[in-house]
Amino acid sequence: GAGVSQSPRYKVAKRGQDVALRCDPISGHVSLFWYQQALGQGPEFLTYFQNEAQLDKSGLPSDRFFAERPEGSVSTLKIQRTQQEDSAVYLCASSLEGTGDEKLFFGSGTQLSVL
Amino acid sequence: RKEVEQDPGPFNVPEGATVAFNCTYSNSASQSFFWYRQDCRKEPKLLMSVYSSGNEDGRFTAQLNRASQYISLLIRDSKLSDSATYLCVVIQAGTALIFGKGTTLSVSS
Repeated sequence: GAGVSQSPRYKVAKRGQDVALRCDPISGHVSLFWYQQALGQGPEFLTYFQNEAQLDKSGLPSDRFFAERPEGSVSTLKIQRTQQEDSAVYLCASSLEGTGDEKLFFGSGTQLSVL
Repeated sequence: RKEVEQDPGPFNVPEGATVAFNCTYSNSASQSFFWYRQDCRKEPKLLMSVYSSGNEDGRFTAQLNRASQYISLLIRDSKLSDSATYLCVVIQAGTALIFGKGTTLSVSS
């Protein structure tokens, strides 16, 4: 596609519910990143894939958070047993090679509200 | 201490003003530096890369001072459309981009 696509755009979950957030990166982009952005804060790194390999998941806040990219394209971020502190915008970004010195293209994000 | 620190502002300036933002980073091994712009309720977008020699793109000038570990962004002749949050971004070897909290700029007529 023309850009990074994320769905759903908005998600409201009851506390304790599981959610799955989807990211479609730009076709051919090797690297895919997930960030969490709370209101008034900068994006906080969650995890990073190069193709299907998850190279860094050091930013995942707890074992309730899980991400996958099984075929090296679409990625899913899953949050189990959601808590109110999980409320944030979840941003996905992709880059062509992921050398660390190139432009990231961001999706519009999924705004998660946990009630 | 956060790895990347910015003055959150807000910076409120009139049209035509010159405004400068600074950003400091804690890890001396940081290799690449960028400024991203984020409009309200939108995703971040790359504004410009920052090079040791300094670089300019129209009204925007970015500078890097490795010895003092800070990055700056200068905006000349501010426009209403420059109103946004400006995010300082740092990359260390083998890691993902690390964002600052952002500096909010509001340009008024």
